[in-house]
Amino acid sequence: DAGITQSPRHKVTETGTPVTLRCHQTENHRYMYWYRQDPGHGLRLIHYSYGVKDTDKGEVSDGYSVSRSKTEDFLLTLESATSSQTSVYFCAISPRQGYVGNEQFFGPGTRLTVL
Amino acid sequence: DQQVKQNSPSLSVQEGRISILNCDYTNSMFDYFLWYKKYPAEGPTFLISISSIKDKNEDGRFTVFLNKSAKHLSLHIVPSQPGDSAVYFCAASTRNNNDMRFGAGTRLTVKP
Repeated sequence: DAGITQSPRHKVTETGTPVTLRCHQTENHRYMYWYRQDPGHGLRLIHYSYGVKDTDKGEVSDGYSVSRSKTEDFLLTLESATSSQTSVYFCAISPRQGYVGNEQFFGPGTRLTVL
Repeated sequence: DQQVKQNSPSLSVQEGRISILNCDYTNSMFDYFLWYKKYPAEGPTFLISISSIKDKNEDGRFTVFLNKSAKHLSLHIVPSQPGDSAVYFCAASTRNNNDMRFGAGTRLTVKP
């Protein structure tokens, strides 16, 4: 299994509070991704990173920001959490673009509840 | 704008029989198609993929078929086992896999 950890694994917070989720990898992979999983939508890309300090928006980036100051860590921040951001968040990594099969490797997920 | 669709939310199959999971896509720019398997409280795990230059890829009990003209792919599991019970996600991406799109998933139940 790829060495990916996410913290926290569960979090309950209140509307309007800031929240930061952490993804940590031990594989030294260049690309890192944040997805959210919601019923009826599958996984949707929030932001991704293609190197230290290099990030870009995904399909559902509104209300989220990211940072990557080290190869191994990718942080997802909700500046002011809303109930619509209640979801399960997955981090994923991949070695490079065009990797054989194009597969990404996923972390165990963080369940976030915004009350 | 859901570019990858899995129209069957659930599928139930008897152990030993074939499971067929289907997926349709709308974006003709997709180059790679993947299937991921997900157990409860775990992250998705890669199962099998196929590039757009092929129409079939096989890995043990798992075979993925691609029909580019119909923009349709399917995953066949033969024979199905109870341990295959999980949610299966279809995904598609261009060569630049920073834009991978996922279907909503199909929950497969394999009954002993």
